[in-house]
Amino acid sequence: ETGVTQSPTHLIKTRGQQVTLRCSSQSGHNTVSWYQQALGQGPQFIFQYYREEENGRGNFPPRFSGLQFPNYSSELNVNALELDDSALYLCASSLVRAGGQETQYFGPGTRLLVL
Amino acid sequence: QQQVKQSPQSLIVQKGGIPIINCAYENTAFDYFPWYQQFPGKGPALLIAIRPDVSEKKEGRFTISFNKSAKQFSLHIMDSQPGDSATYFCAASFPGTYKYIFGTGTRLKVLA
Repeated sequence: ETGVTQSPTHLIKTRGQQVTLRCSSQSGHNTVSWYQQALGQGPQFIFQYYREEENGRGNFPPRFSGLQFPNYSSELNVNALELDDSALYLCASSLVRAGGQETQYFGPGTRLLVL
Repeated sequence: QQQVKQSPQSLIVQKGGIPIINCAYENTAFDYFPWYQQFPGKGPALLIAIRPDVSEKKEGRFTISFNKSAKQFSLHIMDSQPGDSATYFCAASFPGTYKYIFGTGTRLKVLA
């Protein structure tokens, strides 16, 4: 087990709705990254948060947004849900030091289904 | 230039066999190459990782071979077991960007 937890485990929404997914980082980690994994595909980077600020973003529209809290937990918010947003959403925590980033450790994911 | 190409898409081996999964990249700026194992309904779990200044790394039954000149790296699973049946992903990252770029995955089945 990595110590990274996510909630909820499963979620069903309808098109146009909004969703919030939550992640609790591994103890001692200061960075959280979010990935979208479509069925049968590799994870795609959405964005990363370091010290409560966005620190890099992948090719995702602005309706994907996030927050990182002082305790390093994080939220992923998706507005105006589309059918193609159906996927496994993974968060990964890591420790960023002066010498660079250490390995990212993934949570179990939240399975989102948009109908 | 940011892609990581992974092959094969699926692989079936007998118990005790040595499955080999290959990945290739274009951008020589990548400096970190982890391999992850993922079981159905679970998040990816780190298996082993390598940096370009090393040609081979072993951890238990898992070995990464890295060919910098060919821009390829591969995962070997020694004495494979049915419990190794999972999807395996290679990934790469640039220094300082903290973004992992994943391959498309290889579904491995080890027959008992």
